[in-house]
Amino acid sequence: DQQVKQNSPSLSVQEGRISILNCDYTNSMFDYFLWYKKYPAEGPTFLISISSIKDKNEDGRFTVFLNKSAKHLSLHIVPSQPGDSAVYFCAARVNSGGYQKVTFGTGTKLQVIP
Amino acid sequence: DVKVTQSSRYLVKRTGEKVFLECVQDMDHENMFWYRQDPGLGLRLIYFSYDVKMKEKGDIPEGYSVSREKKERFSLILESASTNQTSMYLCASSRTFQETQYFGPGTRLLVL
Repeated sequence: DQQVKQNSPSLSVQEGRISILNCDYTNSMFDYFLWYKKYPAEGPTFLISISSIKDKNEDGRFTVFLNKSAKHLSLHIVPSQPGDSAVYFCAARVNSGGYQKVTFGTGTKLQVIP
Repeated sequence: DVKVTQSSRYLVKRTGEKVFLECVQDMDHENMFWYRQDPGLGLRLIYFSYDVKMKEKGDIPEGYSVSREKKERFSLILESASTNQTSMYLCASSRTFQETQYFGPGTRLLVL
């Protein structure tokens, strides 16, 4: 049962335009959401996060939006750059059995075309 | 900078072999994790450890075991490798559960 879903396996965007990556979740107990970025042959690296008590968090070119009623979050990258080409994983955290468990989505491969 | 290293980048093993994947972190993190990454399935948690000699099952522990004898080292063991364990294996660590996980570069395992 995939609790965190990224329905778009891939996305292509022109350099300078906005990239919007989407993520849906089913567990209303998730209290924290994260985005990780992964280049080929490297491990994922943390990009940006948002608490469930907020609806927006911004860090430079990256903004994450959270819509709790829709159980949906999105990552906006403006402007997109070729170096942003990578696989992006959405992740969500929940208290589970005394631990904070992180569940990852399936990933979206972003290609930014120069 | 946090550094998480994994013993091998690529590994080829035969069905039935016992396989050890090693992970070392240098930041004195309490928690360590093993994931596998497969196309269309994302990252799935196999096992995690919150202290030396302590371990907990993740979402897909079947066919795997782990060992954490020292704080900095977390090993994933495939007791008898099978072809469906061909995958990218990623190790991660974090200081607390609330803090970001730092990942190693991954080990791509092929089981023939």
